[in-house]
Amino acid sequence: EAQVTQNPRYLITVTGKKLTVTCSQNMNHEYMSWYRQDPGLGLRQIYYSMNVEVTDKGDVPEGYKVSRKEKRNFPLILESPSPNQTSLYFCASRIFASVGELFFGEGSRLTVL
Amino acid sequence: QKEVEQDPGPLSVPEGAIVSLNCTYSNSAFQYFMWYRQYSRKGPELLMYTYSSGNKEDGRFTAQVDKSSKYISLFIRDSQPSDSATYLCAMSDYYGGSQGNLIFGKGTKLSVKP
Repeated sequence: EAQVTQNPRYLITVTGKKLTVTCSQNMNHEYMSWYRQDPGLGLRQIYYSMNVEVTDKGDVPEGYKVSRKEKRNFPLILESPSPNQTSLYFCASRIFASVGELFFGEGSRLTVL
Repeated sequence: QKEVEQDPGPLSVPEGAIVSLNCTYSNSAFQYFMWYRQYSRKGPELLMYTYSSGNKEDGRFTAQVDKSSKYISLFIRDSQPSDSATYLCAMSDYYGGSQGNLIFGKGTKLSVKP
């Protein structure tokens, strides 16, 4: 089954404790992206990757890091989480940046205390 | 002025009603228009996609684009309780959008009551 898989789905952590949200897709997509979704603000792009080893900032990159060492994986790293990073996070992928449907994962709900 | 405006609702209708969901936008360069459906605790999934102005129909769903008014709509005929979800409009100036990104509306939460 074609899918984008995120883990963990739910996480409660404390300020400053580094965490990683993993994302994996099994569709051989070149393009992957991270979004956060907040009430009243909608979906906002954090980082994206056009291909392996190619990443760039989206609209709200502050406080986040990403890496793309393999085509299928695109982890989101919060080096020192803060409460304003409490949000619902989605990983998404598509075959290329300019082509194809954008497939979303099921989301990771993060709470930073 | 935000690039994409969408009434967040919530919108509650009885089963069988015709539902109209709308978005307005300010960027006249947008040419690709999409509607995503997001069920509770799930990721958004593509529902409809249209290019430029005009209508597109898929079963009970019709998407309309009026570029002259910078206004897009999604109509749901014979609405069902299973249509209860948040509907997000999304658009871009070309299919992938700049950076592969789409500009999303904030979403309208729809509830269809049996």
